[in-house]
This record gives sequence, C-alpha cells and structure tokens, in this order.
Amino acid sequence: SQQGEEDPQALSIQEGENATMNCSYKTSINNLQWYRQNSGRGLVHLILIRSNEREKHSGRLRVTLDTSKKSSSLLITASRAADTASYFCARYNQGGKLIFGQGTELSVKP
Amino acid sequence: EAGVAQSPRYKIIEKRQSVAFWCNPISGHATLYWYQQILGQGPKLLIQFQNNGVVDDSQLPKDRFSAERLKGVDSTLKIQPAKLEDSAVYLCASSSLRGGFSGNTIYFGEGSWLTVV
Repeated sequence: SQQGEEDPQALSIQEGENATMNCSYKTSINNLQWYRQNSGRGLVHLILIRSNEREKHSGRLRVTLDTSKKSSSLLITASRAADTASYFCARYNQGGKLIFGQGTELSVKP
Repeated sequence: EAGVAQSPRYKIIEKRQSVAFWCNPISGHATLYWYQQILGQGPKLLIQFQNNGVVDDSQLPKDRFSAERLKGVDSTLKIQPAKLEDSAVYLCASSSLRGGFSGNTIYFGEGSWLTVV
C-alpha cells in the first residue's frame, strides 16, 4: 500500500501565487523526496530532505519536514504556468522500497 | 548524460494478448526499477533489480507479469496475457546505488503507455 498521502488531491491557482502541497506518512523515515510529473512524462526528482533537517530550499521550492507530525510540505513560490504538473512525495520503507503517494495535481493558470 | 530510455512509448492491445516493454538505464546504474502507474495514482513498484539479480518483486503479479535483466544492463517487462486492469503507464527507473537509506536519486524514463481494450 502507498505510504505517503498528499493533500490536496488537486490545486488550482493563478500565476504568481504560491502553491502549498502537503504529504503525510505513517512510519519513521530517513529521508523524504519530492518528485514532479508533467502530463505524459516521467517523474523528475525535485528535492530530498533528510530526517534531521527541518527545511530545505531549491530555487522557488521550499520543503519542510516535521517528523513529530510525520508530515512534509512543498511550497512553490511565485508559481508559473510551467509549474503545472503532478507532485508526489516518496519515502523508502523498511525494505528499501521507494513508495509514492497519490500525488497532488497542480494547475497554474496564466 | 543520456537518460533512461524506454520503448515503445505507446501500445494498444486487446485483452489476453501479450506485450513487452524495453528499458535501457543510465550507463553505469546498477539498480533498475519497473513501476506501474495507473491514471490518477502514484507509481507502484513492480520489481527492482540490483545488477541482474532481483531485489524485490513482491508486488509483481507473477501469473502474468515477468521481467528480466540479462547482463545487468537492459531490462524487459512482459505481460501475458494482458487484462483490462493492466492499462497503465509502465515506468522504468535507475539509480547508481541501491535504493534505501542512502537516499540516492532515482531517474525515471518517459514511460510506456499501455491501453488494453
């Protein structure tokens, strides 16, 4: 079964606004990753945050991790139409298998 | 650096027919993964290879799915006979290290889109 759950399932915003997506998980982690998938394409790795980190930045992306709440969030600032995609969080389970959540479908309207 | 190559990109078959997907990972990557992604869902791991050995195939429906990675490079995923519920995108991915606590990046191909009618 999937170990990461994202919310919201779908998010629609205007260009220039910020987009926040959340991910919850059930068991302890060593790290958590975020991926992007454009329509009809493969997944692209965005960012990895380790369990001893609370926040990480990469360009317009900001990821936070709260291990006490078993949750992570991905913030995209000043969104662009090109950010329209599905975003997935993923974590490794005890067996070393990378498990993906259901994803958040982001639509950025120009 | 060339990415993960997959073919064919699209395939439409009738139920009970067979289909095969091919994957060529990034050069030098020892770990290869096949994921199944049903529309509107996240990818689900079907099988993971480390070189030419199977690390995990617990979610591979072995009565109809098979995969091999001869010589530890290219891999083929076969479905025979196909069912309607096999309609999905089949994603191949590779990484330089074994997945797990190392947290290494996994690189995905563009996927092979299967429609079973």
